Amino acid sequence: AQSVTQPDIHITVSEGASLELRCNYSYGATPYLFWYVQSPGQGLQLLLKYFSGDTLVQGIKGFEAEFKRSQSSFNLRKPSVHWSDAAEYFCAVEGSNDYKLSFGAGTTVTVRA
Amino acid sequence: NAGVTQTPKFQVLKTGQSMTLQCAQDMNHNSMYWYRQDPGMGLRLIYYSASEGTTDKGEVPNGYNVSRLNKREFSLRLESAAPSQTSVYFCASSEGEEYFGPGTRLTVT
Repeated sequence: AQSVTQPDIHITVSEGASLELRCNYSYGATPYLFWYVQSPGQGLQLLLKYFSGDTLVQGIKGFEAEFKRSQSSFNLRKPSVHWSDAAEYFCAVEGSNDYKLSFGAGTTVTVRA
Repeated sequence: NAGVTQTPKFQVLKTGQSMTLQCAQDMNHNSMYWYRQDPGMGLRLIYYSASEGTTDKGEVPNGYNVSRLNKREFSLRLESAAPSQTSVYFCASSEGEEYFGPGTRLTVT
């Protein structure tokens, strides 16, 4: 079964600074990988996904993520954060032959002025 | 399109009471899911339905039952609520990527 680790529980960044959120996965074959964002009291919104092809994936809101098979990682990045990026971010993995998503525990991002 | 809708938004139950959480999607997706979200644990899959007429257990199915009523609707039932089931419940549907509902905040006292 697949699993996901998000090593950072909480990250604080200054507005305008760059952001990188780490995600490591465990899966025997090539997984489908996702990043979701959740604002307080809201549901989850998909930021980006990787199924195959180019390992650098562009998403919404200026986010990108890079799939590195050798490191089993799918880290999320944004060059310059905005106060509205304060939220909780979840990495998720889906096996290519089943229908189930496994989520990491999440990383909470705080943006300071 | 409304996407994925869930009712109710909030619910308070006493231990031992039963209730059903409703979920519907209007995107004609085959797969539907129920998750619970607890602090520090991310989302954990309770049950899923890969297609109409099928359901399967996820990671934390104990204490829950589901019904895939038709392609649109997937309900989650708590037969005898326990305080450990206090959580936020999310329904999702998928056809390649998952779309989530707004959640139901359930408190069991």
